[in-house]
Amino acid sequence: DAGVIQSPRHEVTEMGQEVTLRCKPISGHDYLFWYRQTMMRGLELLIYFNNNVPIDDSGMPEDRFSAKMPNASFSTLKIQPSEPRDSAVYFCASSYFNRGYGTGELFFGEGSRLTVL
Amino acid sequence: AQTVTQSQPEMSVQEAETVTLSCTYDTSESNYYLFWYKQPPSRQMILVIRQEAYKQQNATENRFSVNFQKAAKSFSLKISDSQLGDTAMYFCAFGLGSQGNLIFGKGTKLSVKP
Repeated sequence: DAGVIQSPRHEVTEMGQEVTLRCKPISGHDYLFWYRQTMMRGLELLIYFNNNVPIDDSGMPEDRFSAKMPNASFSTLKIQPSEPRDSAVYFCASSYFNRGYGTGELFFGEGSRLTVL
Repeated sequence: AQTVTQSQPEMSVQEAETVTLSCTYDTSESNYYLFWYKQPPSRQMILVIRQEAYKQQNATENRFSVNFQKAAKSFSLKISDSQLGDTAMYFCAFGLGSQGNLIFGKGTKLSVKP
């Protein structure tokens, strides 16, 4: 079974440009998460969806960041305009709700390394 | 709000020896889950082990085991017979079953030396 698929794996762009990161969760999972990893701040939750609906976007840094999940098999994280401080690794993860114990472990993609010059 | 603290930014261990990574957390909830994830240089986040708070028995996965002290809010990871492939960042994470997200500690960088 395929895992969480993210693209691109690496992105280098110039300040001011629009960046779109993509994620395909594991089939059957009803939760999708976007995390950002930096040396200074570690792993931070940006936003997560349940059944394609955004549940908590309090971690989204500012209006330059937006995320969508148009269907159960696809999500995007967009940064417009990008800034050098957005340079980080962005992870997408998915999980599923089990009636016995709720949600559990997250399954991560390989991450998208973004460099904004 | 829940917090997760890993007090050891870096550790090293000789191959074949045992090492313990520390993690403490803060929560007022009684039902929750704890995880250790491994992130090797390849960047992939890999689940190492999980523990349900309602279980008294400590979880074990081959060479990996935890020491879960609920009252002390402590969740340490023991790696026995360390191997070179264990070299990685290790993250402790906390989650509530009623919510989807996990809260991660800052990580411990483990180096296994030959």
